[in-house]
Amino acid sequence: GENVEQHPSTLSVQEGDSAVIKCTYSDSASNYFPWYKQELGKRPQLIIDIRSNVGEKKDQRIAVTLNKTAKHFSLHITETQPEDSAVYFCAGDGGTSYGKLTFGQGTILTVHP
Amino acid sequence: IAGITQAPTSQILAAGRRMTLRCTQDMRHNAMYWYRQDLGLGLRLIHYSNTAGTTGKGEVPDGYSVSRANTDDFPLTLASAVPSQTSVYFCASSAGGGDIQYFGAGTRLSVL
Repeated sequence: GENVEQHPSTLSVQEGDSAVIKCTYSDSASNYFPWYKQELGKRPQLIIDIRSNVGEKKDQRIAVTLNKTAKHFSLHITETQPEDSAVYFCAGDGGTSYGKLTFGQGTILTVHP
Repeated sequence: IAGITQAPTSQILAAGRRMTLRCTQDMRHNAMYWYRQDLGLGLRLIHYSNTAGTTGKGEVPDGYSVSRANTDDFPLTLASAVPSQTSVYFCASSAGGGDIQYFGAGTRLSVL
């Protein structure tokens, strides 16, 4: 089955800096890679996703890049703000059509004002 | 718009007891999922259902069962709870496999 590794486990940045979180996956058949943000005590919420036929996707301050050859994808947050502080999870679908996501272990992002 | 509703919000349960966590969605989504979230382990898939009447096993199905009698409801049952099932449980739904998954607010379960 799919295995997703996420790094770093914690990330601390100053407001205005950029933050990058990287995930690697094991199953070359994986097609769908979502990123979720989870604030303390809240539900995970999708912030951006990418499919295997696209190399990069942007949404305002957030971007995701995918390298299928190396089997890794990364989340980039520019001009970070304190409200970006949360736990971020990446996931991969292992190429299944059933939406069976395998999640990374999560990255605790802290943005200091 | 309610989206996905989970009940109860939290529960303390004695080991050996039976417990059903409820999940209801009003988005007419075909696919539904149950995850558990433990510190340092992220979210792990327990069971899923691609459409009413069908279910499948995820990464950690042992000790759990599900049913999907209709489109809207996807209950998760612990037949005989054990302390290792202490966790936060999230239900999610999507229009179909490979589509965006939307999560419920979660159920915090403690098995003593």
